[in-house]
Amino acid sequence: QKEVEQNSGPLSVPEGAIASLNCTYSDRGSQSFFWYRQYSGKSPELIMFIYSNGDKEDGRFTAQLNKASQYVSLLIRDSQPSDSATYLCAVNTGYSTLTFGKGTMLLVSP
Amino acid sequence: EAQVTQNPRYLITVTGKKLTVTCSQNMNHEYMSWYRQDPGLGLRQIYYSMNVEVTDKGDVPEGYKVSRKEKRNFPLILESPSPNQTSLYFCASSFDWNTEAFFGQGTRLTVV
Repeated sequence: QKEVEQNSGPLSVPEGAIASLNCTYSDRGSQSFFWYRQYSGKSPELIMFIYSNGDKEDGRFTAQLNKASQYVSLLIRDSQPSDSATYLCAVNTGYSTLTFGKGTMLLVSP
Repeated sequence: EAQVTQNPRYLITVTGKKLTVTCSQNMNHEYMSWYRQDPGLGLRQIYYSMNVEVTDKGDVPEGYKVSRKEKRNFPLILESPSPNQTSLYFCASSFDWNTEAFFGQGTRLTVV
């Protein structure tokens, strides 16, 4: 059974701070990793994807992947109240598309 | 506009009354899938399809059926809905098995 684990939170950070969201996965064969943001009652939307070990930056967002430790993280710099949402880690191990973690709720206070 | 469209957005039905939730994508994607989302359980895959006439079970397929007769459409069928199928349902599509999934707006289903 493929598993993707996230801390449910909430993770509370002040506006302007760095938010760090973490995810671990069980299947060493996992090949692609995604971070989605989901506002309450809305559909998930893609924030970042990463396929290779190391860091990948896109604006205020940085995804980090460590396949040896089976660990993927998302850093949000200069957090804004509009970043308050649930962040879903998703892992793809094969042809059955994505396995999602249960999500981490992020609260950014003004 | 590239999108995944689900209908209806909201549905209240009674136990045992067959229903279909439609899903259509205009991106010519090969892969489509259905998820349900429940509090505390996250997104769980119901069924997925790799191409026309090719479908397979996800993690929670019991009580659901799907079909993929056309590339753009992937309806979810509940032959005899039960209250434990009350949930928020999402359809998603992707170009390939290894690429990002695009989600529909969601269908909130209540079975009484």
